[in-house]
Formats: sequence, C-alpha cells, structure tokens
Amino acid sequence: IQMTQSPSSLSASIGDRVSITCQASQDIANSLNWYQQKPGVAPKLLIYDASNLQTGVPSRFSGSGSGTDFTFTISSLQPEDIATYYCQQYDHLPPLTFGGGTKVEI
Amino acid sequence: EVQLVESGGAVVHPGGSLRLSCTASGFTFDDHAMHWVRQAPGKGLEWVSVISWDSGSTYYSDSVKGRFTVSRDNSQYSLFLQMNTLTTEDTAFYYCVKTSIPGLAAPFDHWGQGTLVTVSS
Repeated sequence: IQMTQSPSSLSASIGDRVSITCQASQDIANSLNWYQQKPGVAPKLLIYDASNLQTGVPSRFSGSGSGTDFTFTISSLQPEDIATYYCQQYDHLPPLTFGGGTKVEI
Repeated sequence: EVQLVESGGAVVHPGGSLRLSCTASGFTFDDHAMHWVRQAPGKGLEWVSVISWDSGSTYYSDSVKGRFTVSRDNSQYSLFLQMNTLTTEDTAFYYCVKTSIPGLAAPFDHWGQGTLVTVSS
C-alpha cells in the first residue's frame, strides 16, 4: 500500500490552522496513524486509528478520515509544533508504510 | 516508564555485517510484537522488520529481505537485528519500536533513541 502525503512542506504563522492530507492506494479502513518528529529526536505518536488522540497529546491536534483519504489538523499552530509529520498505515503487513512526511515551518 | 535503548551502530564497509540490539524495560516485553524502523539521514521513515511476541512470525521489507534477520530474547527483554551484506543504501538511524497493543500491526507508541549505522568504504 502506497501512502501519498501532501504537502511535502508548508509555512504558516503562529495561530494558523494547518492541515496535512494522506491518501492510501487502497482502502485501509481507519488503520492510520500520525507521528511528529522534531530534529534529532525519535518520532512520537500523536494520532492513532485515524482520529484518536494519544494520551498526553494537546487537543489542538486532530485527525479524521477513513478508507483512503485522511487529514491531520493543527487547529492553532504553536512554536513547539515545528516538526516533520508522518502518516502510517498498518492495515496491511508487510510492509507498514509511511507517507513521505510534511515539514512544518513558521 | 517504557524505555527502549538501541546499541550496536557503527561504521562498516560495504558487504559487511552488523548486529543491532535493543534492550527494553518498563513494560511486559513478551506481550508485544517489536519492530525495527530506519531513517536515512535527512530522509523519511522506512519500516524494516517485525517479530511477533513469541518469535513465531517475522516479516521484512523487500529492501532487506534475505539480508537482515530479526530475533528476540524475551528472558533478556532484548530485540536484535542481524544485518548482512550491507550496502550504502542501508546507512540510516535504526529505531527499535514497541506496538501499543499486542499484535503485529498496531500503532507505534514508544520508540528508542536510534542507533546510527554507516556503510562506507
């Protein structure tokens, strides 16, 4: 299963609403996760099962979608949100595929 | 607190071998499948391999199949990745990853800090 993530990068202002999309090459139901990776640090799980917020993750992060089309949203961009974000499908193994990533900048 | 600590990364020549280790703590290791994910410097994430809780099932990405072998020792809370016939394309940070629930395919809720493998002549 191929995961097409867009855009590959974006620039936004503090307080902006930011959205990233991820499209699967076939139906993956809601088997979709979103990760945040800051420079020099391992990725961190933010959203699992397409729309569930991982424990301890701020509520400004959200996810939606099912089937082949998914969206990740930051409702109000904060300085600490500068990072690269990845989607990942886990409906089909192997492999567990990641999207290409979206670099979010201020 | 869940901790995953990788070790074994090094500089190796093309065609060489390397064995990575991951020591786990803070959770019941044999309740979970474990994965390896890698990331070439400045590039995206690439899933490498998974092993079931009982070592009964293993899967690999096409890029490493036949060259890499994943294993685990539940008594030692340890995960391993034997890497043979290395090429420059294998240069990457290698992360040991725990799934959130039992099962081979599940969200990755904890990651190690990564260990760097550099394949260079």
